[in-house]
Amino acid sequence: GQSLEQPSEVTAVEGAIVQINCTYQTSGFYGLSWYQQHDGGAPTFLSYNGLDGLEETGRFSSFLSRSDSYGYLLLQELQMKDSASYFCADYSGGGADGLTFGKGTHLIIQP
Amino acid sequence: EAGVTQFPSHSVIEKGQTVTLRCDPISGHDNLYWYRRVMGKEIKFLLHFVKESKQDESGMPNNRFLAERTGGTYSTLKVQPAELEDSGVYFCASSQVGLAGGAFFGQGTRLTVV
Repeated sequence: GQSLEQPSEVTAVEGAIVQINCTYQTSGFYGLSWYQQHDGGAPTFLSYNGLDGLEETGRFSSFLSRSDSYGYLLLQELQMKDSASYFCADYSGGGADGLTFGKGTHLIIQP
Repeated sequence: EAGVTQFPSHSVIEKGQTVTLRCDPISGHDNLYWYRRVMGKEIKFLLHFVKESKQDESGMPNNRFLAERTGGTYSTLKVQPAELEDSGVYFCASSQVGLAGGAFFGQGTRLTVV
């Protein structure tokens, strides 16, 4: 089966940098995606790593290491609006054609 | 451009009743996915359409759930008869070129079975 593990909650200060880790166990791994979800809202796509290394998109960066079955989402210059849940998701491209999500990390930003 | 829309946003039904959820994907997106998040648990994949064809329905929990996508446009997800454990938020997502490019999610339908 497939599983992704991430911390349930992370607290950070406005203006700081935070890293949300994700480890996975999966077969037929293609790549790792990250989604943001505000309370009551739709999950919003942030990034996708199909290859090892760092992908940067503005204040957000995502990293993947296939050899370690590990990735992370890095958020810089934190703003209060970044308070949300962040999900890593595995796109296996295999038997199940959809995303397998982690349980999500609730990010709390303090002023 | 309109995003993925879902209807209704909320639904409260009694155990044993039938409910039909609707999803309108982004125009031109061949891939349509249904997901479900049960309280306190992760978002789980239900099924995947490519146009009107079911590509993968391995995530459907049982035969009380029926999804259709007639004409390859909007999709419906019917739960009949509904059980208490079916309560949760049902998300629909669509994508144009597959999941590597990211999927666009609707706001979800919050289903409560009482």
